Amino acid sequence: KQEVTQIPAALSVPEGENLVLNCSFTDSAIYNLQWFRQDPGKGLTSLLLIQSSQREQTSGRLNASLDKSSGRSTLYIAASQPGDSATYLCAVSAFTGANSKLTFGKGITLSVRP
Amino acid sequence: EPEVTQTPSHQVTQMGQEVILRCVPISNHLYFYWYRQILGQKVEFLVSFYNNEISEKSEIFDDQFSVERPDGSNFTLKIRSTKLEDSAMYFCASMVEGFSYEQYFGPGTRLTVT
Repeated sequence: KQEVTQIPAALSVPEGENLVLNCSFTDSAIYNLQWFRQDPGKGLTSLLLIQSSQREQTSGRLNASLDKSSGRSTLYIAASQPGDSATYLCAVSAFTGANSKLTFGKGITLSVRP
Repeated sequence: EPEVTQTPSHQVTQMGQEVILRCVPISNHLYFYWYRQILGQKVEFLVSFYNNEISEKSEIFDDQFSVERPDGSNFTLKIRSTKLEDSAMYFCASMVEGFSYEQYFGPGTRLTVT
């Protein structure tokens, strides 16, 4: 059974710092990995998706990497801002199409101090 | 930009009552999902739906739960007789067929069972 772990549970950094959020998964047989942002009491906003055949994806100040063989992904946030404060979740899917359910980590709650 | 919508945003019900949570997926999407997130816990997969039938369901999705796509646009989750432990945020997601198989999430319905 796939397990996704995100450590630490919470992180506090000063504004402007570059930071890395980690995600690990137990079964390397994945099809893709998604990073989401969740604001308190809100829905899930997809940030980046990496296919298992890819090594990384970039969107603005965000860069996600994937090392499938070691079961790890990182989300790099450059020049963090207070508006980046949120919970960041990673999720993996093992299959495509109708069986592509996502298995989530518990998330890392990021606080960026002005 | 097209988005997944969910209604209501918050539903309060008494234990034992039936509730129906509604979702309007993105119009050209073919795969539909329900997930739930109990406060402070991981987002958990409930059920996936494709071609007018359930593709996969989790252990949580017992006989008290059902899903339906009553017309070309709505996708509903029914809980027949709610329990206190059904209190959670329920997310609908949809996905188009293609290379990335990226899931798009709605804003969620907060269900409170008293």
